[in-house]
Amino acid sequence: NAGVTQTPKFQVLKTGQSMTLQCAQDMNHEYMSWYRQDPGMGLRLIHYSVGAGITDQGEVPNGYNVSRSTTEDFPLRLLSAAPSQTSVYFCASSPNPDSVGYTFGSGTRLTVV
Amino acid sequence: AQKITQTQPGMFVQEKEAVTLDCTYDTSDPSYGLFWYKQPSSGEMIFLIYQGSYDQQNATEGRYSLNFQKARKSANLVISASQLGDSAMYFCAVQGGGADGLTFGKGTHLIIQP
Repeated sequence: NAGVTQTPKFQVLKTGQSMTLQCAQDMNHEYMSWYRQDPGMGLRLIHYSVGAGITDQGEVPNGYNVSRSTTEDFPLRLLSAAPSQTSVYFCASSPNPDSVGYTFGSGTRLTVV
Repeated sequence: AQKITQTQPGMFVQEKEAVTLDCTYDTSDPSYGLFWYKQPSSGEMIFLIYQGSYDQQNATEGRYSLNFQKARKSANLVISASQLGDSAMYFCAVQGGGADGLTFGKGTHLIIQP
């Protein structure tokens, strides 16, 4: 049981490049979400999904796309990377957010130069 | 929109003392959940405790308890008998009834001193 797996753990991008941060969970959780963590800012919600085929925007969605074609996977796409997207990205999943906590992945540290 | 306020950027506490980390929240949802997470220096997010808005009793999980005062919109985390391994960042978060993800506070950096 791997939990929530994020890849890669570290990435350096040049401004304007695109990439996909991968998130996979093997717990059959319906609810998944992406956050970014910047120094002094706490975690902020980028996008979330309440099941396969259903996604919605969070607090800071600009510059990011998501899709949820399967229950297991919830990739986050950066369309054209900018230095302001330098951050640590966390993916999380939950079977029932109204009664239990979310399980977080170990994070992806992204630097855009 | 939801908001979490954590007014203690940092705290120093002697080992074995009890610790209270403050959290106030604001939400327009009649049904919501409150969460506390621990983030050690290694960076992972560890779920500690959950409190539902309609729960009559304060949540407890081992040495962690949540002091929930609904009228004051307060959800303080209490750690009993602190240990050196409790040194970490602690985040309070709220989720509305629509399961639309978590809104976090900026966190409290707790340092336990021997």
